[in-house]
Amino acid sequence: AQSVTQLDSQVPVFEEAPVELRCNYSSSVSVYLFWYVQYPNQGLQLLLKYLSGSTLVESINGFEAEFNKSQTSFHLRKPSVHISDTAEYFCAVSSSRGSRLTFGEGTQLTVNP
Amino acid sequence: EPEVTQTPSHQVTQMGQEVILRCVPISNHLYFYWYRQILGQKVEFLVSFYNNEISEKSEIFDDQFSVERPDGSNFTLKIRSTKLEDSAMYFCASRPRGGLSYEQYFGPGTRLTVT
Repeated sequence: AQSVTQLDSQVPVFEEAPVELRCNYSSSVSVYLFWYVQYPNQGLQLLLKYLSGSTLVESINGFEAEFNKSQTSFHLRKPSVHISDTAEYFCAVSSSRGSRLTFGEGTQLTVNP
Repeated sequence: EPEVTQTPSHQVTQMGQEVILRCVPISNHLYFYWYRQILGQKVEFLVSFYNNEISEKSEIFDDQFSVERPDGSNFTLKIRSTKLEDSAMYFCASRPRGGLSYEQYFGPGTRLTVT
């Protein structure tokens, strides 16, 4: 069985500040890790993923996440956030490519001016 | 850019009634999924569907639920005899066969309220 824990339900930050959204997982097999973002009244959009290879993965809008196998973590970071980054962020894990996703509880990121 | 669509956006039904939630996956996708999120809880996997049959289902997906791809474009989730605890946001997702990312593309969700 696999599970995901997002330690922070809400993260308020000021614009241009750095942010880290934490995600820890447990799994008895190899994992594939994902971060999804949900803007108000929209579906879940894939932000970035780790499937294999480099443990540091990046998105096109400045987010990055690092897969840390020893700490079973996949924390999401951005060095300088914008108002438009305000959304709910979900960490998810899959035990094989294309199979079911197991989600964390979600973290509401609110960027204030 | 193609996207997954879901109808209706909000469905209100009385306990014991049947509901059908509809999804139109991206046209060249072959794998389909349903997830749900009860208010304040995690997004949970319900079922996956490929080649006109269920490929995986969770313990939540009991005999009350069924899925169908009736016409080659729609993908539906039927809930027979709804219960109060079925109130949730239901998300449909789809993905193409193979590819490098195995990304699942999600729809905006249908909010089901059972009264």
